[in-house]
Amino acid sequence: DIQMTQSPSSLSASVGDRVTITCRASQSINIYLNWYQQKPGKAPNLLIYAASSLQSGVPSRFSGSGSGTDFTLTINSLQPEDFATYYCQQSSSAPYTFGQGTKLEIK
Amino acid sequence: QVHLVQSGAEVKKPGASMKVYCKASGYTFTSYYIHWVRQAPGQGLEWVGIINPSGGSTTYAQKFQGRVTMTRDTSTSTVYMELSTLRSEDTAVYYCARDGSINYYLSLDYWGQGTLVTVSS
Repeated sequence: DIQMTQSPSSLSASVGDRVTITCRASQSINIYLNWYQQKPGKAPNLLIYAASSLQSGVPSRFSGSGSGTDFTLTINSLQPEDFATYYCQQSSSAPYTFGQGTKLEIK
Repeated sequence: QVHLVQSGAEVKKPGASMKVYCKASGYTFTSYYIHWVRQAPGQGLEWVGIINPSGGSTTYAQKFQGRVTMTRDTSTSTVYMELSTLRSEDTAVYYCARDGSINYYLSLDYWGQGTLVTVSS
């Protein structure tokens, strides 16, 4: 199975900040990488697919990059509604494993 | 618009089985795979498996092999997930999610509301 490791596990930031979350795969996954946002008590919401493609309806302050084993999710100009937990997921091969999550909290 | 509606919360005893459903609407049911993902309380997301609603083929995570069965009913656009021999570690919210693959890049674009299954004696 492909292991996905996110860092940091938690992050404190302020409204208006720019934040970056990283995700590393245990082997090359090309660009088969998704990012999701999850708020408490809610289902995850797809933000980015294929490493850098923005899902329809997702604000442009979210962006993704990377290929191979190293990926990043960047949020520019944090908004109050962005404080949530973020997960990466590899979609290269089953089982389609997730990272352990990064909790973004208000500073 | 796309909706995935799941069955309600369940409480099960250790050793019992659970069966949750996911009813799809707003799109052609047989054109999109469905995944199941679970989340234990306070924990991260764990991929359980996938079913092709068209032919019924399935792929399960090795961890669940032998205990999980995913089926579908095309007449009602519903997917089912059954998990047997439940243990306390199976206590989790179980989500179904549509595979909205674009250009062969798999992603989970619509999710059900989740079904809490509690395993307790």
